Amino acid sequence: DTEVTQTPKHLVMGMTNKKSLKCEQHMGHRAMYWYKQKAKKPPELMFVYSYEKLSINESVPSRFSPECPNSSLLNLHLHALQPEDSALYLCASSQRFAGGVTDTQYFGPGTRLTVL
Amino acid sequence: QKEVEQNSGPLSVPEGAIASLNCTYSDRGSQSFFWYRQYSGKSPELIMFIYSNGDKEDGRFTAQLNKASQYVSLLIRDSQPSDSATYLCAVHSGNTGKLIFGQGTTLQVKP
Repeated sequence: DTEVTQTPKHLVMGMTNKKSLKCEQHMGHRAMYWYKQKAKKPPELMFVYSYEKLSINESVPSRFSPECPNSSLLNLHLHALQPEDSALYLCASSQRFAGGVTDTQYFGPGTRLTVL
Repeated sequence: QKEVEQNSGPLSVPEGAIASLNCTYSDRGSQSFFWYRQYSGKSPELIMFIYSNGDKEDGRFTAQLNKASQYVSLLIRDSQPSDSATYLCAVHSGNTGKLIFGQGTTLQVKP
């Protein structure tokens, strides 16, 4: 089973709203990732959690705040977003954040975010 | 030079033909290589991974890796219209541990 789930599927929010994206995996993976993908571009890494600790923050603006409550869950809290933040937000997981086959990343279906 | 390069296409092939997708990478320390398929509006779906030089076959898909030439390819035999999608080449960076994506190649399979 290589399933990663994400909720909600679609989200429309105003620039003053606070919302959260949720991701869950039940594969026993210990690394989880947030990516942002704009149309006709490849996924762009935002954050990496390894063993529930933040390993990588790709200089993402503070209006994006990740949280990893446990090894199966990953949240992305959103506050005061800009229209240019509208994109597909993808969660992924892998066995470990390391080299080799254990870094095979499996993506969730994504959340389509629109900021008005 | 981009870290992972792909021809953006579109690559157009007739139904039943072999589609050949190519990717080059710059980090000689890379050990793992991945192909993802992404339908419009959907998330990337893993098709294959390869980490040894040579060919790896899975059904209609064959991944080929040549580390000396820093080149990885994906062949799709008996292409079907349902194979029409963007194919993302991804390379695991030996330096940073991150997965580096190419820009993707759009494949169109015409009936």
